[in-house]
This record gives sequence, C-alpha cells and structure tokens, in this order.
Amino acid sequence: DIQMTQSPSTLSASVGDRVTIACRASQSISRWLAWYQQKPGKAPKLLIYLASSLESGVPSRFSGSGSGTEFTLTISSLQPDDSATYYCQQYDTYWTFGQGTKVEIK
Amino acid sequence: EVQLVESGGGLVQPGGSLRLSCAASGFNFSTYEMNWVRQAPGKGLEWVSYISGSGITTYYADSVKGRFTISRDNAKNALNLQMDSLRAEDTAIYYCARVRSNRWDVWGQGTTVTVSS
Repeated sequence: DIQMTQSPSTLSASVGDRVTIACRASQSISRWLAWYQQKPGKAPKLLIYLASSLESGVPSRFSGSGSGTEFTLTISSLQPDDSATYYCQQYDTYWTFGQGTKVEIK
Repeated sequence: EVQLVESGGGLVQPGGSLRLSCAASGFNFSTYEMNWVRQAPGKGLEWVSYISGSGITTYYADSVKGRFTISRDNAKNALNLQMDSLRAEDTAIYYCARVRSNRWDVWGQGTTVTVSS
C-alpha cells in the first residue's frame, strides 16, 4: 500500500503570508496527486490535480508542485477564507489520503 | 446543477447492516466512475470503495473487503453501498464522489453512520 505523509500537521499563519504544505509518498506516484480543502462540517473540495493543475474556479493563489515522492501545496497569500484542513491524495495505485494539515489564521 | 446527495445513514448495532445511497443529478451518471469515502469523527479521509461506470469493475479497501458491497443503478442515477457486519470502527461520515479524468471533482454532503449498542 502507498502511504502518504503530510507536514506539518498544523500551521498558524497571518493573512498575506505565503504558506507551504508538504506531502510525501512512500513510493513514486509520478504526478498522480491531488489536493483537497475541507472546512468543518463540509465535504472536501478539489483544489489541485495531476500535482500542479488548478481545478476550475479555484483561486490562483493556490498552486501545487512536485513529482515522484515529494509534493507541495502553496498558498501564495493566505486569506481568511483559507482556514481549513488540507489533504493530499495519491491516485497512482488505488487511492490514499494524507493525514491532513490544519491551517489556522493568526 | 451537478449534484450528489447521500442518504441512508443512521444508528445501527454492531453486527448489523445498513444500505447507503447516493443520488446523482445534472450529469450523465453512467459515464462516470464513482467512489465512497469515509471520515471517522475527528479523523482524516479514508477511501472505501470504487465502481466503474458500467458497474463491472469494483475495488474495496482492505478494512471493508468482504463486508461492504458497492453497486449502481444507472437507470436510476443511483450509487449504493451495502454495509454488513458493521463494527464500531465503521462509524463515520460517508461521502460519495464522482471521478472525472482520474480526479474526484464532485462530492456529496455526506451521510452519518453510527455503529453502537
């Protein structure tokens, strides 16, 4: 099974900050990686697919990068609405999620 | 509007059964692969099961294999999850999600399953 590990588990940043979340796969998944945003009581929302492709309607301050086993999600200028938990997901072999990164606004 | 609406959740005793449904609207349901995903209270996301557009191909997470059965009725635009031999650890919010070009682009709002005596 492919394991996905995110870091950090929680981060606190100020509005306007650049925020980066890391995701590591236990084996190479090429670019078969997606990022989701989940707010309390809501379903996850797709942000990024194929490691770096922005889903339609998602603000351009969100970006993804990486390939193989190392990936990152970057929020270029953190906004109050970005307070949420973020999950990476591999879809190279079946589907596995990271444990999540909670982003808080200072 | 593209929409997925889950139903069928509730309280069930350990060892019991429950059948979840996911009603699809606003798109050609039969042409899309679908998944069930769950989220235990305060925990992360766990993939549960996959089904192809035709319903011929199915996959299950090891944690539910042999106990859960995924199916679909394309004539009724419905996705189902039959859950048998339920355990306390199956307690979670269950979401259905649509697959478009490998990415999960539409999710339902979820239905809550509680397994407890």
